Amino acid sequence: GQQLNQSPQSMFIQEGEDVSMNCTSSSIFNTWLWYKQEPGEGPVLLIALYKAGELTSNGRLTAQFGITRKDSFLNISASIPSDVGIYFCAGLIRAGNMLTFGGGTRLMVKP
Amino acid sequence: DADVTQTPRNRITKTGKRIMLECSQTKGHDRMYWYRQDPGLGLQLIYYSFDVKDINKGEISDGYSVSRQAQAKFSLSLESAIPNQTALYFCATSDGTANTDTQYFGPGTRLTVL
Repeated sequence: GQQLNQSPQSMFIQEGEDVSMNCTSSSIFNTWLWYKQEPGEGPVLLIALYKAGELTSNGRLTAQFGITRKDSFLNISASIPSDVGIYFCAGLIRAGNMLTFGGGTRLMVKP
Repeated sequence: DADVTQTPRNRITKTGKRIMLECSQTKGHDRMYWYRQDPGLGLQLIYYSFDVKDINKGEISDGYSVSRQAQAKFSLSLESAIPNQTALYFCATSDGTANTDTQYFGPGTRLTVL
């Protein structure tokens, strides 16, 4: 089946630093989603990407859908303590198929 | 009010007990899902349902069963709980429209099997 390789697995950064994480796959996906999970809560959708090459922002977050359709990245600018959590990428081949999730990137921010 | 709710939020039970986790949604979505998350790991799909009469196994369905009682309700059962089923369980919904199937998650149920 499809697999998503998400990296890094964890990051420990200083407040104010920029963050970058990515997902890669050997399979093509037609939709990429980025979720954030805070401790004790379910994943919450941050950004959805529907077209190859698409670059979408949500506040300090920016995500891109790779041209090859096999990768996506998420950037967080000027990190703050409330950015702490686990960030998951997810890919969808088409409606009717299941989402494939990456293993997550655990982000820790030092004030 | 939350769009996707799960009950209970926490449950501790003993090996061999039957457990039911419930999920309700007010989003009007046809599709519902149950996932399991183990510490430090991603999400694994247990079962999913595309409408009231549709039930499908996911990656790790052994030891679990589900019931789709209505469009808004999807319950997960552990017929005879075992310790390695200790995990976080998430319900999710999606509307299944063309080109996108964004899933929305509930807050999770933390299950501990002793």
